[in-house]
Amino acid sequence: RKEVEQDPGPFNVPEGATVAFNCTYSNSASQSFFWYRQDCRKEPKLLMSVYSSGNEDGRFTAQLNRASQYISLLIRDSKLSDSATYLCVVNGAAGGFKTIFGAGTRLFVKA
Amino acid sequence: GAVVSQHPSRVICKSGTSVKIECRSLDFQATTMFWYRQFPKKSLMLMATSNEGSKATYEQGVEKDKFLINHASLTLSTLTVTSAHPEDSSFYICSASPDIEKLFFGSGTQLSVL
Repeated sequence: RKEVEQDPGPFNVPEGATVAFNCTYSNSASQSFFWYRQDCRKEPKLLMSVYSSGNEDGRFTAQLNRASQYISLLIRDSKLSDSATYLCVVNGAAGGFKTIFGAGTRLFVKA
Repeated sequence: GAVVSQHPSRVICKSGTSVKIECRSLDFQATTMFWYRQFPKKSLMLMATSNEGSKATYEQGVEKDKFLINHASLTLSTLTVTSAHPEDSSFYICSASPDIEKLFFGSGTQLSVL
């Protein structure tokens, strides 16, 4: 089993749609969690951190369920500019200061 | 915010040459830096963990003699792809973090080996 698993995608959605991405992690000792966005041949950019209490930033909402070892990202009112690959990232997954990336989920938002 | 600088952004070289990529933390000290490789339409794969003042830790399947890592100071790590071949063509990214809550990436290096 992979340490961090994501929906494979791609997700093709129309503008204005709501889309949800899921991610699970295998190591219950993992310490911090993030969603990153990566555009083609660019470095990943931090989208938001993920907390058990939930975290909302505009159209984006992230949620962590430690009991289920599950992370989610919800994007409301999708924009064309949201088209990218979304990476679920887990820190401390290997019991140390180590970052593990999910394989990424590709999102295409179409007019 | 913290910034990680990576150079060069793009390299085109002949097969058999060696290529050095630099990763610098600009406003924090990084005892640990990470090197990743990404093939087209694939996820970032951790290659190695660079430790200041000691040997790097390589992930399974990554040849340490092929990918030389040097972390001689608290702000600089270098990755040298030795005797590069076309199959080494990839996007290489470094990252560093001032703490476990944040991870900052370099802008990446696109290596093309002819």
